[in-house]
Amino acid sequence: RKEVEQDPGPFNVPEGATVAFNCTYSNSASQSFFWYRQDCRKEPKLLMSVYSSGNEDGRFTAQLNRASQYISLLIRDSKLSDSATYLCVVNDFSGGYQKVTFGTGTKLQVIP
Amino acid sequence: NAGVTQTPKFQVLKTGQSMTLQCAQDMNHEYMSWYRQDPGMGLRLIHYSVGAGITDQGEVPNGYNVSRSTTEDFPLRLLSAAPSQTSVYFCASSYLGRGSTSISYNSPLHFGNGTRLTVT
Repeated sequence: RKEVEQDPGPFNVPEGATVAFNCTYSNSASQSFFWYRQDCRKEPKLLMSVYSSGNEDGRFTAQLNRASQYISLLIRDSKLSDSATYLCVVNDFSGGYQKVTFGTGTKLQVIP
Repeated sequence: NAGVTQTPKFQVLKTGQSMTLQCAQDMNHEYMSWYRQDPGMGLRLIHYSVGAGITDQGEVPNGYNVSRSTTEDFPLRLLSAAPSQTSVYFCASSYLGRGSTSISYNSPLHFGNGTRLTVT
């Protein structure tokens, strides 16, 4: 089993739709979680951290389910500019220092 | 703020040539790392460093060397370029997360703009 798994998509959704991505992780001791956004041929950029109680930033909501070992990202009222690949990132701490593991990403295409 | 700066942006090498990809950050981050990303694939960790003088191998270290003589700089050396090393390379840095069962630090990575390397 991969350490961090994501559905590669693509998810093709119309403008204004709500779309959700899930990401599962294998290490139950993982402690930090993030969602990144990557545009074609560009560097990944932090979208939001994921907190235990869930958190929201505008149209974006992130949730963490430790019991089932997954995190989710919900995008409401999708915009054309949301088209990108969304990367799930999990931080473990081995030997006292962080180990960062990326999922392979979920591609989102918002269509007019 | 400059953040993480990578040079060059583009590079073409012939098989067997060597070169160094430069990475510098001005955020006083202890943790620095190098990734490669191949078309349609995820990021794969090449090498990382948790501080000056300390480096370690990631998932795909063969064919690459690193050193960390200062906090700011983390160059990646290709010893003898091969076509299989054609890729996009990203440098990333963060504060050093330290964890135990009860304490963790949320420290996201900051990425450079990438270096697009072609080996012919």
